[in-house]
Amino acid sequence: NAGVTQTPKFRVLKTGQSMTLLCAQDMNHEYMYWYRQDPGMGLRLIHYSVGEGTTAKGEVPDGYNVSRLKKQNFLLGLESAAPSQTSVYFCASSYSNFVAGPFGQGTRLTVV
Amino acid sequence: LAKTTQPISMDSYEGQEVNITCSHNNIATNDYITWYQQFPSQGPRFIIQGYKTKVTNEVASLFIPADRKSSTLSLPRVSLSDTAVYYCLVSNQGGKLIFGQGTELSVKP
Repeated sequence: NAGVTQTPKFRVLKTGQSMTLLCAQDMNHEYMYWYRQDPGMGLRLIHYSVGEGTTAKGEVPDGYNVSRLKKQNFLLGLESAAPSQTSVYFCASSYSNFVAGPFGQGTRLTVV
Repeated sequence: LAKTTQPISMDSYEGQEVNITCSHNNIATNDYITWYQQFPSQGPRFIIQGYKTKVTNEVASLFIPADRKSSTLSLPRVSLSDTAVYYCLVSNQGGKLIFGQGTELSVKP
């Protein structure tokens, strides 16, 4: 049972490049979340999903897109990366809409 | 969505009881209160959740007064390994889970 797996773990992008972060869960959870965490700050919700085929905006959705075509996967896309998107990205899934978790191990993204 | 306010940081010593209070003045009737723990370079981990009064599990207790405008996470007899950031969340059925700034707890020998 792998839980929540994020791919990749590390990535360096040049400004303007695009990439997709993958979050995969094997617990049949309905709810999935993408957060970003900057140094010394709390987690900020980017987008979330309450079920397959659904997505919704969080606190800081600008510059990101998401898709939930399959229940087990939640993809986070950066169409044109900017240095301000340098951050650690955490994905989470949940069986309940009242609690987030487990979380993945994080993706450390640097945009230069 | 209810906004939460916590102290930025707290210091404690090994063996002491630590109480971290979170303020959520505009909590709604159907909101739950959840606390998480985060270690460096890891995602947050669920600690405890409650709706009212007191909830206790093997690692912590959660105290919620009758008006539910605040909550207190109590960690009994902390150790060095409890050094972490603790987050309070207020959540409802909408699924939009917003973390606050968190409280950085430092436990000293």
